[in-house]
This record gives sequence, C-alpha cells and structure tokens, in this order.
Amino acid sequence: NAGVTQTPKFQVLKTGQSMTLQCAQDMNHNSMYWYRQDPGMGLRLIYYSASEGTTDKGEVPNGYNVSRLNKREFSLRLESAAPSQTSVYFCASSERTVYNEQFFGPGTRLTVL
Amino acid sequence: AQSVTQPDIHITVSEGASLELRCNYSYGATPYLFWYVQSPGQGLQLLLKYFSGDTLVQGIKGFEAEFKRSQSSFNLRKPSVHWSDAAEYFCAVVLLTGGGNKLTFGTGTQLKVEL
Repeated sequence: NAGVTQTPKFQVLKTGQSMTLQCAQDMNHNSMYWYRQDPGMGLRLIYYSASEGTTDKGEVPNGYNVSRLNKREFSLRLESAAPSQTSVYFCASSERTVYNEQFFGPGTRLTVL
Repeated sequence: AQSVTQPDIHITVSEGASLELRCNYSYGATPYLFWYVQSPGQGLQLLLKYFSGDTLVQGIKGFEAEFKRSQSSFNLRKPSVHWSDAAEYFCAVVLLTGGGNKLTFGTGTQLKVEL
C-alpha cells in the first residue's frame, strides 16, 4: 500500500517551459488536492477534485491546470512556468470531503529559473 | 474574515520539557479543526482533529489538543517532548468559502528540540 505517490521529486525548469506533475493514490479515495508550500505561507490550495470527472479552483489557481484522469490519478500542469511558481508541491487525497483526514504525498520541489 | 493563525513561527524546547503550540481561529460557526505535522522532507501527517464533543482530544505520538471556544483557540500540547518531535506543525480549519468548504492551513510553527 504506497498511499499517495508523486513524480518527479525534483524538477528545474526555465521560464516559459511546461511540465506536468503526476499524483496517484491507491486508497480508493474520492477527493484529491494539489497544494503549494512556500516559506512562511503554509499550504495553499491550488485545485481540488471532489470526485472523478470534477475539478474546482482553490485559493491560488492562476497559471495551473489539472486533470482528474481517473479515480486514482490527479495531475497538475504548468503551461508556461514562471519564477513565482518556484515552490514545493504536495498532492493529497481524502476518502470523501475536506472533513476527512487528508493523506499527503512526499512532495515535488520545483525551481523555475 | 475567516482565518487560522499560528502566532509562533519558531519554538525551541529542551528534550523532556513540555510543549504548547498555539492556534487561533476566526470563524462564526463551530469549526472543524486539525493539527498536522511535517517532518523534514516529507508530506504532512494528521496528528488529531476536533469536530464536536469532548473539547480535549487525543492524537498520535502522545499529542493532545484542547478546543476553547471562549478563546477561539485549539492549542496543541505534549507533556514531554522527544528529539524526534522536531518538525513543522500546522493547524488547519475547514472554512466556508464562496466556492464551498475548504481546508485552510495556518502558516506553521517550526519546532526545534535541544538535546
């Protein structure tokens, strides 16, 4: 039982490049989330998916897109990376809603030059 | 505005000493409150949560937290800290926003444990 997995662990991009962060969970959870973590700012929600086939914006969605490919997988795409998107990105999942415990992946450290 | 605040950015305690990490919330209704811990280089892990009922809740790793409505607080405590407790701790609350209910995190408290 791997829980929540994320790839890659580290990534360096140049401004304007695109990339997709992958996330998968094997706990049969309905809800999945993408957060970014910046020093002194805690975790901020980028996008979430309450169920397969649905996605909604969080607090800081600009510059990102997401895809809930199936119940297991939830990807985050940066179409044209900017230095302001340098951050640590966490994927999480929960059984149903935000009232349930969220299980987090190990994170992806992204640097945009 | 609805929010969650962790007043202490850094706290240092000696191993074996007691610990209290502060969390204050601003929310009109009864809040749903959580404490998560993040060890270096890892994702977050749930320590405990409060929804209703007994205001003193027990969590994993010997942690407890007390909900005090009169003070709008949900402070995390541990009677005797171990070196392995060094980590960053996040208080979180489910807030009602225009787009539905969202889990909102505080800015975190970094705990250092001196041996």
